[in-house]
Amino acid sequence: QSALTQPASVSGSPGQSITISCTGTSSDVGGYKYVSWYQQHPGKAPKLMIYDVNNRPSGVSNRFSGSKSGNTASLTISGLQAEDEADYYCSSYTSSSTGIVFGGGTKLTVL
Amino acid sequence: QITLKESGPTLVKPTQTLTLTCTFSGFSLSTSGVGVGWIRQPPGKALEWLALIYWNDDKRYSPSLKSRLTITKDTSKNQVVLTMTNMDPVDTATYYCAHRRTTGGGAFDIWGQGTMVTVSS
Repeated sequence: QSALTQPASVSGSPGQSITISCTGTSSDVGGYKYVSWYQQHPGKAPKLMIYDVNNRPSGVSNRFSGSKSGNTASLTISGLQAEDEADYYCSSYTSSSTGIVFGGGTKLTVL
Repeated sequence: QITLKESGPTLVKPTQTLTLTCTFSGFSLSTSGVGVGWIRQPPGKALEWLALIYWNDDKRYSPSLKSRLTITKDTSKNQVVLTMTNMDPVDTATYYCAHRRTTGGGAFDIWGQGTMVTVSS
């Protein structure tokens, strides 16, 4: 199974909105509503931000939202804040192994 | 409150077998729908899913590493153990265990702090 495809980096200014894409195939992203997004600050464990495409766990800011169209999922962060600067990873259930596949990660820089 | 903590050697030699233990609290691996996964991250690189074990002892492995991995659970001790054979320097990474959400697609909602494993002679 191949990793999901994410842009290596994105950037935005405080208050702006950014979107991170995550492209897979019909065996993973496109075939199921099981896309998740994780935020990881340097030296820390990943934190779940979005699950099942567009659901936020309790305690996650509503500035974070998820969506999916075809084989591509997206994470949108609105009202960018300095604390949002981190690495973001998407993941999906994959039928090829009936397991999980992660994306290559995207580094978000808040200018 | 769910917590997980990884433990194991920090240094292993090439060709050796790595054994990592995930000790958890706040849930039971005998409860329907519950699962625990292992994920690793080489320094400066992306997350990579390794294995997953469910409450009913169903097991899933990364296809690229399946021949080297074994995941088991000890429900009475609240532990999940991952073994990886024939370790190589490219296996140097931080290894995380994580609790899988019991509904929907099973995202990993709670993660351990991770344990760094270096493979070197």
